[in-house]
Amino acid sequence: QQQVKQSPQSLIVQKGGISIINCAYENTAFDYFPWYQQFPGKGPALLIAIRPDVSEKKEGRFTISFNKSAKQFSLHIMDSQPGDSATYFCAASMLTGANSKLTFGKGITLSVRP
Amino acid sequence: DVKVTQSSRYLVKRTGEKVFLECVQDMDHENMFWYRQDPGLGLRLIYFSYDVKMKEKGDIPEGYSVSREKKERFSLILESASTNQTSMYLCASSSSRGYNSPLHFGNGTRLTVT
Repeated sequence: QQQVKQSPQSLIVQKGGISIINCAYENTAFDYFPWYQQFPGKGPALLIAIRPDVSEKKEGRFTISFNKSAKQFSLHIMDSQPGDSATYFCAASMLTGANSKLTFGKGITLSVRP
Repeated sequence: DVKVTQSSRYLVKRTGEKVFLECVQDMDHENMFWYRQDPGLGLRLIYFSYDVKMKEKGDIPEGYSVSREKKERFSLILESASTNQTSMYLCASSSSRGYNSPLHFGNGTRLTVT
């Protein structure tokens, strides 16, 4: 079964708008939630991450919101720019040790129209 | 900057051939991973390794094997390539120092099996 589910499957946003990507997880043992960003022709790269002891984390225009009771977390991109057009993956892992492995969602393609 | 280098950007092989995908990282990372990326399926973990000469199966190991003879090099082997192994293959590495250090991905090898 899919342990990390993303929605929507694709997203088109106008420049300057807010992009919101949602992620739901099933395993309550997960306690680390990163988002990865992938541009065409490149490998994914870590964008921002959160642990469940906080409800929100902000880095520049990117914010993760976390709802532990609902087992959901989301990525908000404020003032979206055409350069944000990419594929976004949410992921989750357990902090069982230094070598925990990530479970990824299926990814969503964001297109920001100029 | 961490660099993960995959030996081939594009590869075309015939059904039944033995295929080697090579990955080298230059940051002395302990952990190395092989993922495949398919549209609508996201990133799926094939194999990973936490140390030289050790390996662990990921979520979809069937039809694949790996080799890690040196710390910086992790090879993915398709013993007898099949058309359903046509995909984008991504190698990644991470450090064991500290919890949940980020994955650093290569730019991928697009393998076509005909």
